[in-house]
Amino acid sequence: DSGVTQTPKHLITATGQRVTLRCSPRSGDLSVYWYQQSLDQGLQFLIQYYNGEERAKGNILERFSAQQFPDLHSELNLSSLELGDSALYFCASSVSSIPENSPLHFGNGTRLTVT
Amino acid sequence: GQQLNQSPQSMFIQEGEDVSMNCTSSSIFNTWLWYKQDPGEGPVLLIALYKAGELTSNGRLTAQFGITRKDSFLNISASIPSDVGIYFCAGVFNDYKLSFGAGTTVTVRA
Repeated sequence: DSGVTQTPKHLITATGQRVTLRCSPRSGDLSVYWYQQSLDQGLQFLIQYYNGEERAKGNILERFSAQQFPDLHSELNLSSLELGDSALYFCASSVSSIPENSPLHFGNGTRLTVT
Repeated sequence: GQQLNQSPQSMFIQEGEDVSMNCTSSSIFNTWLWYKQDPGEGPVLLIALYKAGELTSNGRLTAQFGITRKDSFLNISASIPSDVGIYFCAGVFNDYKLSFGAGTTVTVRA
């Protein structure tokens, strides 16, 4: 158990809809990262928050947004969903803001299916 | 984004075999990480490498950070059935973003 909790485990929704994925980091970790894993793309970095502030941005679509709350949990919002958004979405956390100093610990992911 | 080339894409193992996989990049890395992902779970950190030339072991796993800082390999010795899964290399570039290779899928040979 990595200590990172993601909910829900599975999500099935229709195209055009909006969903929210939730992540609670490990106790003591200030950084939260979001990754998307699809069959043909591997693990793609979306966005990182550190202590409530956006720290780094990857290949995140404009239809997607995230935030980190004062209690350090994070939410990833996906809107105007398309079939191609179907994927596993992972949250990871680490102690520091720099991944080379403190490795990431991953949750078990949310599997999103868009129909 | 930054490109990590991981090979082989897949491999079959027989119990007791030693296996090896590697990762290369055209850019210099500051850190190399190796993760393993089991079905239905998130990636789990196996080994972290922080210095060029560093050789680190974790049980039957050994990984090295290449001298050029552009490559790393992971060896699994005396493989067992629970070694099956997807192994990812990951690297941290100067932009402080952690990028992942496409993964090596390890399967038990029937």
